[in-house]
Amino acid sequence: AQKVTQAQTEISVVEKEDVTLDCVYETRDTTYYLFWYKQPPSGELVFLIRRNSFDEQNEISGRYSWNFQKSTSSFNFTITASQVVDSAVYFCALSERNTGRRALTFGSGTRLQVQP
Amino acid sequence: SAVISQKPSRDICQRGTSLTIQCQVDSQVTMMFWYRQQPGQSLTLIATANQGSEATYESGFVIDKFPISRPNLTFSTLTVSNMSPEDSSIYLCSVGTTDTDTQYFGPGTRLTVL
Repeated sequence: AQKVTQAQTEISVVEKEDVTLDCVYETRDTTYYLFWYKQPPSGELVFLIRRNSFDEQNEISGRYSWNFQKSTSSFNFTITASQVVDSAVYFCALSERNTGRRALTFGSGTRLQVQP
Repeated sequence: SAVISQKPSRDICQRGTSLTIQCQVDSQVTMMFWYRQQPGQSLTLIATANQGSEATYESGFVIDKFPISRPNLTFSTLTVSNMSPEDSSIYLCSVGTTDTDTQYFGPGTRLTVL
C-alpha cells in the first residue's frame, strides 16, 4: 500500500532563514503524482505543486523549490529566505495512477513556525 | 481552479444528532471526495462521491455512519450520523480531474460534538 512519511513534526526558524521540509513516499505503482499543500492557520488547504513520476526535474517558483529524487523516493520542499507568512502546516501527498484510485494519501504534515 | 464552497463553515452539535454538510462547486467536476481531519492530524479520505451511484468508502468508514449523496456534477452532501465527541473534526470536500489527480479543497466544516 502507498505511504507518505514526513518525519519532521515541527520546525521553527527565524525569518530569512532557508528551510527544507522532507517527504519520503512508498508506492508499488510506476505511475504516480506527488503534491505539496499548505494549510495556514485559517485552515484552508492550498495546492502548491504537482510532480509526476516521470518528471524528475527540480522546480523553482519564487522562494519555493522542490527536489524530486526517485532513487531515494523523496520529494523535498525548500523555502528560501522564509517569511512569517510561510508559517503553516505543510502536507506532502501521493496519488497512484495504475490502480485507478485517484484519492490522495497524505503525510502527517510538518508545522513550520517562522519567527520574526 | 474551481471555486468550492461548504456549508456550514462550523457547527456545534449534541451527541446522538446528525449533521449534513454541503459542498457546492462553481463548475462541473468529475471527481469529488470527502476527507476528515481530526484535531492536529492529517487528512484521511472518507469516500469518493460518485455521481448518480453509491459512494466508494475507505476502510473504516461505512455508509450508515457517513451517508453521501451526489445528485449532479456540482454538488455533494456528507451526513455525519449519530454523532459522538470522537466525530469532532474538520470535514473537507475536494474536487479533482482525472488527467492530473490534482485536488482542490473547500474551506472545510469545523464540527464540534458535545
